[in-house]
Amino acid sequence: GAVVSQHPSWVICKSGTSVKIECRSLDFQATTMFWYRQFPKQSLMLMATSNEGSKATYEQGVEKDKFLINHASLTLSTLTVTSAHPEDSSFYICSASFGGRYSGNTIYFGEGSWLTVV
Amino acid sequence: GNSVTQMEGPVTLSEEAFLTINCTYTATGYPSLFWYVQYPGEGLQLLLKATKADDKGSNKGFEATYRKETTSFHLEKGSVQVSDSAVYFCALLYNQGGKLIFGQGTELSVKP
Repeated sequence: GAVVSQHPSWVICKSGTSVKIECRSLDFQATTMFWYRQFPKQSLMLMATSNEGSKATYEQGVEKDKFLINHASLTLSTLTVTSAHPEDSSFYICSASFGGRYSGNTIYFGEGSWLTVV
Repeated sequence: GNSVTQMEGPVTLSEEAFLTINCTYTATGYPSLFWYVQYPGEGLQLLLKATKADDKGSNKGFEATYRKETTSFHLEKGSVQVSDSAVYFCALLYNQGGKLIFGQGTELSVKP
């Protein structure tokens, strides 16, 4: 079964509104989570690294005031797209890893969230 | 900087054909290498991995060998099935922080 769960899977929102996407680690505590964005038929681009109890680290070119990330607990990180516009429409995927050495099989991806801004 | 380059798709094969999807990387140090698979409308699933040079990762009939001398991690399968139709991503982990760098993805379509 899934070890990282995202919610919602699909969301449609009006332009100018904000939408929140949740990423939860199930059965383990994730000190670090990652948010990726994927445009249709393109690769995944890392947006930010979410660290529990501290500010997220954003990749170059990602607007931190637009994509708010909150990692308030060891099992939950949220991505809020503020004042969404149609160009924000995309597939957003989170991943979570737990403590110790990161050998790849300890990095789990969520199912992804489709955001459509109309 | 660190990067991953995959062969462009889409790749269209007949069932039971041999598959190769090329992947090369640029990285400092000694990254770990991965292949992920994404089925339509779904998230990513780890297919296989290799953590050091000459390691061979394998899973579900797929395999890839970490070649440091050619900086490559080509994905192969001897006999593909229709159910293998998906997008395949090569990725590298260049530090122990969990950040993955992905290739652009290669769409595979297997026809019966």
